[in-house]
Amino acid sequence: DIVMTQSPDSLAVSLGERATINCKSSQSVLYGSNSRNYLAWYQQKPGQPPKLLIYWASTRESGVPERFSGSGSGTDFTLTISSLQAEDVAIYYCQQYYTIPNNFGQGTNLEIK
Amino acid sequence: QVQLQESGPGLVKPSETLSLTCTVSGYSINSGYCWGWIRQPPGKGPEYIGSLYHTGNTYYNPSLKSRVTISVDTSKNQLSLSLNSVTAADTATYYCGRQQAVGVPGAFDNWGQGTLVTVSS
Repeated sequence: DIVMTQSPDSLAVSLGERATINCKSSQSVLYGSNSRNYLAWYQQKPGQPPKLLIYWASTRESGVPERFSGSGSGTDFTLTISSLQAEDVAIYYCQQYYTIPNNFGQGTNLEIK
Repeated sequence: QVQLQESGPGLVKPSETLSLTCTVSGYSINSGYCWGWIRQPPGKGPEYIGSLYHTGNTYYNPSLKSRVTISVDTSKNQLSLSLNSVTAADTATYYCGRQQAVGVPGAFDNWGQGTLVTVSS
């Protein structure tokens, strides 16, 4: 199994500031034949299902604000929120879909400072 | 717009079988995509259970494979989950979702609201 490890576990950022969440996979999720990273990011608010933000490591899902961006390749990935808004308070998860089981990271709890 | 809704018993006794249904509206299951199940124990992160590709191929988490079956009823446009020999460790909110079909099950781009299943006598 590919183990996904996020850092930090929790993060407090001031409104309008940048938030950065990291995700590391225990093996590469870059598929050589198409040069795609099989990595997604989700946002989950209390009492709601996860919401897809980013797929292929850096492709923003339709309707997701531009302040959310994903980067990285191979085993190291980053989700960046360029200017934190109050509605961004949530738990964020990365997930690999390179191989079964499609494991998730343990989550990063993002709060307002 | 695709919508998914999970349904089933909220309480299951230990050693019995957990059975859930996911009703899909706004999209025909056998038209494409991949359809999967995720669970999330209280206060913990999501755990992948398995997926069913529109071609009929199934994929299961090896840790659950001996106990889980995912199937589809195309006449009702429903996805089903069966998990047998449950224990308290199977207590979780269960979600069904639509996955991008990328040759393998991909990211979950649509989710149901989830249903809490408690395993207890």
